[in-house]
Amino acid sequence: GENVEQHPSTLSVQEGDSAVIKCTYSDSASNYFPWYKQELGKGPQLIIDIRSNVGEKKDQRIAVTLNKTAKHFSLHITETQPEDSAVYFCAATGRGSTLGRLYFGRGTQLTVWP
Amino acid sequence: DVKVTQSSRYLVKRTGEKVFLECVQDMDHENMFWYRQDPGLGLRLIYFSYDVKMKEKGDIPEGYSVSREKKERFSLILESASTNQTSMYLCASSSPPSGKSEQYFGPGTRLTVT
Repeated sequence: GENVEQHPSTLSVQEGDSAVIKCTYSDSASNYFPWYKQELGKGPQLIIDIRSNVGEKKDQRIAVTLNKTAKHFSLHITETQPEDSAVYFCAATGRGSTLGRLYFGRGTQLTVWP
Repeated sequence: DVKVTQSSRYLVKRTGEKVFLECVQDMDHENMFWYRQDPGLGLRLIYFSYDVKMKEKGDIPEGYSVSREKKERFSLILESASTNQTSMYLCASSSPPSGKSEQYFGPGTRLTVT
């Protein structure tokens, strides 16, 4: 199946700085790449996603880029705020897209210091 | 709002007990998923279901079974709980188009097996 690798596992930034989380995937059949944010005590929640026919997508302070040739995609958070502190997961569909499953990275614990 | 509820937030069971974790979604979603979340290992898929009475093994099905008798309910069963099944269990649901739709997560059940 698909193998998604995510780096770094932990990331600490000062409030106002930018944060970047990177993921690679192995299956060229993957065509959908969502990012989830998990706050303490809650389940993960979708924050942004990108499809394989798009190279970049932006939503206010967050953006995602996709390089299909290199099989990697990244999450960029600008002007970070303490409420951005959470665990972030990237995911890819692999060949399981017909059954709705996603393959998740291992997560990045982002801490934003005030 | 889509809501995915899990029967318990915290559960303590003894080794060898049969354990039922229940998940209910209220959005008429076809797809439902059970994950376990452990530090440093991310979200690992145990089982998923794309229709009533249908199930597919995920990446770590050993020691678990599932039941989906009604569309809105997906149960995870630990036939004989063991200490290595101590973990956070997350349920999710989604609706087609498969593989490109958002997965909605419940708040999780933290299971401790002693």
